[in-house]
Amino acid sequence: EPEVTQTPSHQVTQMGQEVILRCVPISNHLYFYWYRQILGQKVEFLVSFYNNEISEKSEIFDDQFSVERPDGSNFTLKIRSTKLEDSAMYFCASSLNSVGTGRYEQYFGPGTRLTVT
Amino acid sequence: DQQVKQNSPSLSVQEGRISILNCDYTNSMFDYFLWYKKYPAEGPTFLISISSIKDKNEDGRFTVFLNKSAKHLSLHIVPSQPGDSAVYFCAASPPGNQFYFGTGTSLTVIP
Repeated sequence: EPEVTQTPSHQVTQMGQEVILRCVPISNHLYFYWYRQILGQKVEFLVSFYNNEISEKSEIFDDQFSVERPDGSNFTLKIRSTKLEDSAMYFCASSLNSVGTGRYEQYFGPGTRLTVT
Repeated sequence: DQQVKQNSPSLSVQEGRISILNCDYTNSMFDYFLWYKKYPAEGPTFLISISSIKDKNEDGRFTVFLNKSAKHLSLHIVPSQPGDSAVYFCAASPPGNQFYFGTGTSLTVIP
């Protein structure tokens, strides 16, 4: 069964460093997402991406964050200068359709745990 | 910003009985709703969704009910199985693809 994969599973970085979290969405999916979950808190939407551009983003997704689909398979989240409060589990997700265009399902990867020290 | 609320942090149910997980929302623009199941150290797994043009959607043991006037949705699992023990999240979206998640309800199905 196709699945979303994410690497690395755990990333430790020092405050101020740049990190790139990588995701391989399901191959025929067209919509891509990043979410985060701070320990003990709810899953929060960061950004959605379609047709090589950001379609929606939340207030969390400020200038420190960027996303890219550098080739036909990878989808990356870059945090330019990490802060302690960026420590969280980051989930990538993908979907074939957009909401409202038919049967909609969104598939999540296993997550990358980012620890900023 | 609690646009989606799951007021019960935990629920215990006997195997074979019905599990009912509840979710309330405040934003009347939400028109699409999803339920996810999450095991520890894994990403959320999609279970079932419902559009605001419907009030019920069924998929096997899972049924989602939507009450738009009350801004309430519920997930029914029947019969409950021990493998259903997990954290369940509801999520809602206004037109577009930005999803707002609830805080989750931890379901324990007792054999």
